[in-house]
Amino acid sequence: AQSVTQLGSHVSVSEGALVLLRCNYSSSVPPYLFWYVQYPNQGLQLLLKYTSAATLVKGINGFEAEFKKSETSFHLTKPSAHMSDAAEYFCAVTGNQGGKLIFGQGTELSVKP
Amino acid sequence: DAGVIQSPRHEVTEMGQEVTLRCKPISGHNSLFWYRQTMMRGLELLIYFNNNVPIDDSGMPEDRFSAKMPNASFSTLKIQPSEPRDSAVYFCASRPQGVGTEAFFGQGTRLTVV
Repeated sequence: AQSVTQLGSHVSVSEGALVLLRCNYSSSVPPYLFWYVQYPNQGLQLLLKYTSAATLVKGINGFEAEFKKSETSFHLTKPSAHMSDAAEYFCAVTGNQGGKLIFGQGTELSVKP
Repeated sequence: DAGVIQSPRHEVTEMGQEVTLRCKPISGHNSLFWYRQTMMRGLELLIYFNNNVPIDDSGMPEDRFSAKMPNASFSTLKIQPSEPRDSAVYFCASRPQGVGTEAFFGQGTRLTVV
């Protein structure tokens, strides 16, 4: 079985500051991990994904995430926040081909001017 | 491709009525997921299909909910009878076959049961 836990339901940063959104996973098989973003009244869009090719994954809009097996983590970072990054962010895990895709509870990111 | 298409975008219905939500996945995708999103419970997986076959419906809240996928290009989620606590945004997502492939989401259906 797979699950993800996102630490912090709300994160607030100043524009230009580092963004760090935390995700820890649990999986009985090697995981495939994803970060999605949801803007108000929209569906979810993929930011990036980990599929075992490289532990540091770069995504769209300057985001990146690092897979750390020893810590069972897949935290999302961005060096400098922009106002347009304000949204809800979801971490997700699937264990194998054709399996369930399970989401964390989400973290709402606010960016202050 | 137009992406995952859900209809209707908004639905307001009275308690006790039947509600049917519709989803057209991306052509060629072989997995389809139905999720429910609420403030209290976040994004919950209700059911998913592989090759039109329901694989796991353990997230379906109760017998009032049912989902079908009669062919590769169409799926429905039905609630009968509807209750106010079913009010939520319902998302459909599809995923192509392959290792580590991502799911693509529709815009969602916002359901309000009064």
